[in-house]
Amino acid sequence: GENVEQHPSTLSVQEGDSAVIKCTYSDSASNYFPWYKQELGKGPQLIIDIRSNVGEKKDQRIAVTLNKTAKHFSLHITETQPEDSAVYFCAASIMNTDKLIFGTGTRLQVFP
Amino acid sequence: GAVVSQHPSRVICKSGTSVKIECRSLDFQATTMFWYRQFPKQSLMLMATSNEGSKATYEQGVEKDKFLINHASLTLSTLTVTSAHPEDSSFYICSARRPGAWELFFGEGSRLTVL
Repeated sequence: GENVEQHPSTLSVQEGDSAVIKCTYSDSASNYFPWYKQELGKGPQLIIDIRSNVGEKKDQRIAVTLNKTAKHFSLHITETQPEDSAVYFCAASIMNTDKLIFGTGTRLQVFP
Repeated sequence: GAVVSQHPSRVICKSGTSVKIECRSLDFQATTMFWYRQFPKQSLMLMATSNEGSKATYEQGVEKDKFLINHASLTLSTLTVTSAHPEDSSFYICSARRPGAWELFFGEGSRLTVL
């Protein structure tokens, strides 16, 4: 079945620096890749997503890139701020279903 | 604003009792909702798909008699943890999509603690 790997598991950056989180997926038929931000004690919040017909998508300080050939996609956060500190999850769609499978999460800490 | 709402956000119960968690889509009708479970510092694991007007479909390894799901209306799905035990303590989160959309929105989550 589909498997999603996410790296790194923890990431610490200085405020203003960039942060990059990478995910790889196994099912070449996956065609939808969202990213979620989860703060402590809260449900995941969708922050950006990309579909397989697009290679890159940007929304202000957040961008996602997708390499379908290599089956990996990445989240890029520029000019990080302390409020970006949270756990980030990538996900990939499962072929012929409306389900998502999630990566293992990355705990991002942004130090002032 | 919120798209999916859950209630209660926290619940503490005694071992052996049953607990019901509600999930509502706030401004759209959801024929399908998803229930996830998350242990501390771990990822989200899909438990079951809630289907309006029909039986829920459960993921492998999830006991359907333990986790009862009822999707009685197009805006409400409920998860009942029956005969709860301490190992059922977890963060339960529901999610739903607007019709025809790709984006999956999550509720605020419900933290269950079984004593």
